[in-house]
Amino acid sequence: DAEITQSPRHKITETGRQVTLACHQTWNHNNMFWYRQDLGHGLRLIHYSYGVQDTNKGEVSDGYSVSRSNTEDLPLTLESAASSQTSVYFCASSPQGSNVLTFGAGSRLTVL
Amino acid sequence: GDSVTQMEGPVTLSEEAFLTINCTYTATGYPSLFWYVQYPGEGLQLLLKATKADDKGSNKGFEATYRKETTSFHLEKGSVQVSDSAVYFCALNGGTSYGKLTFGQGTILTVHP
Repeated sequence: DAEITQSPRHKITETGRQVTLACHQTWNHNNMFWYRQDLGHGLRLIHYSYGVQDTNKGEVSDGYSVSRSNTEDLPLTLESAASSQTSVYFCASSPQGSNVLTFGAGSRLTVL
Repeated sequence: GDSVTQMEGPVTLSEEAFLTINCTYTATGYPSLFWYVQYPGEGLQLLLKATKADDKGSNKGFEATYRKETTSFHLEKGSVQVSDSAVYFCALNGGTSYGKLTFGQGTILTVHP
């Protein structure tokens, strides 16, 4: 069965360290997204990609970067982790031309 | 910009009670509207959607009607079950870029036996 997997599911890191969260999907979806979920804010869009070599900034992109070298993967990198980036991160994907997102199970990141 | 406002929670109900979770939106274009559900420890799943005014989305006994005149998309279910306990998110896509959803803050629903 097709799926979208995130790793690690839980991570604790220190302020200033670089962190990469992985997202891998086997749906063959063109579109991939990273959201963060915080209490009282719902989900907010960080970055998104509509295909290989395409990346775009979302609502809360400062301090984050992504790269899309193939269809299956969209890793999210925090260049220098800050306590404000403590959150639950969700990766999602959708077919080209669709607004229906399929979500991963999430990655809980704690920055101390 | 686009925004979604959900009723404040949490909501606690007894099994078989009627559920309403209010959702209103602000959008400049002609948005598509969604309800997503998040069960404990899991990612979000699409519950239902509506793409134009007066459309009714339905799934698993849940319903929501796209009301353009009141800019609302309230979620309803006639008889909730314990298994419906979850967090419910209202969301919209403003129509300019596929897959870019604006979410409400989420409503926690707890159903007791």
